[in-house]
Amino acid sequence: DQQVKQNSPSLSVQEGRISILNCDYTNSMFDYFLWYKKYPAEGPTFLISISSIKDKNEDGRFTVFLNKSAKHLSLHIVPSQPGDSAVYFCAASNNAGNMLTFGGGTRLMVKP
Amino acid sequence: EPEVTQTPSHQVTQMGQEVILRCVPISNHLYFYWYRQILGQKVEFLVSFYNNEISEKSEIFDDQFSVERPDGSNFTLKIRSTKLEDSAMYFCASRRTGGSLRNTEAFFGQGTRLTVV
Repeated sequence: DQQVKQNSPSLSVQEGRISILNCDYTNSMFDYFLWYKKYPAEGPTFLISISSIKDKNEDGRFTVFLNKSAKHLSLHIVPSQPGDSAVYFCAASNNAGNMLTFGGGTRLMVKP
Repeated sequence: EPEVTQTPSHQVTQMGQEVILRCVPISNHLYFYWYRQILGQKVEFLVSFYNNEISEKSEIFDDQFSVERPDGSNFTLKIRSTKLEDSAMYFCASRRTGGSLRNTEAFFGQGTRLTVV
């Protein structure tokens, strides 16, 4: 039972263009969503988060959008840089907040 | 910058043997977690730990698994009798505050790659 899904296993984007990573969830109890970035041989690193009371959160080149009715969130990176090449995981938690449920990850490749 | 450290980085063990994976969370953090990622698959929650007891665990975390915070700084994951399917990358994470994760994100260690042969 995949409660958090990232349907695109990989994405390739040209440097300077926008990267859009998508995530869908099924559990309506989720109310807080996070994006993590993971390089090979390293642990996930927190990138940006959004609460369900918002529909957008921005931090520099990174913006997360949340569409609660569609149970969908997306991460926009603009402009994309080669150093952004990594695996991106979306994660969700419910009001209890104790546990993160991760999606399967999307590998982003930004070509120079 | 404070970080979560995990040792060893790679552990090879024979099936049926016990392994202990070690983690040193960030010093002022109160909540501790173990996650694992089987090669090519998603990151999966195993267990969370607060105030010296398990606060939540997944179906994966069966009787073969246990966690301990033996000395106030280390946080360990023990697998009593390893199986081939336990081969995975195991990540420890810690978080400062309680309640909802909206207060603060979890910081992850670099992971321990466990290979069961």
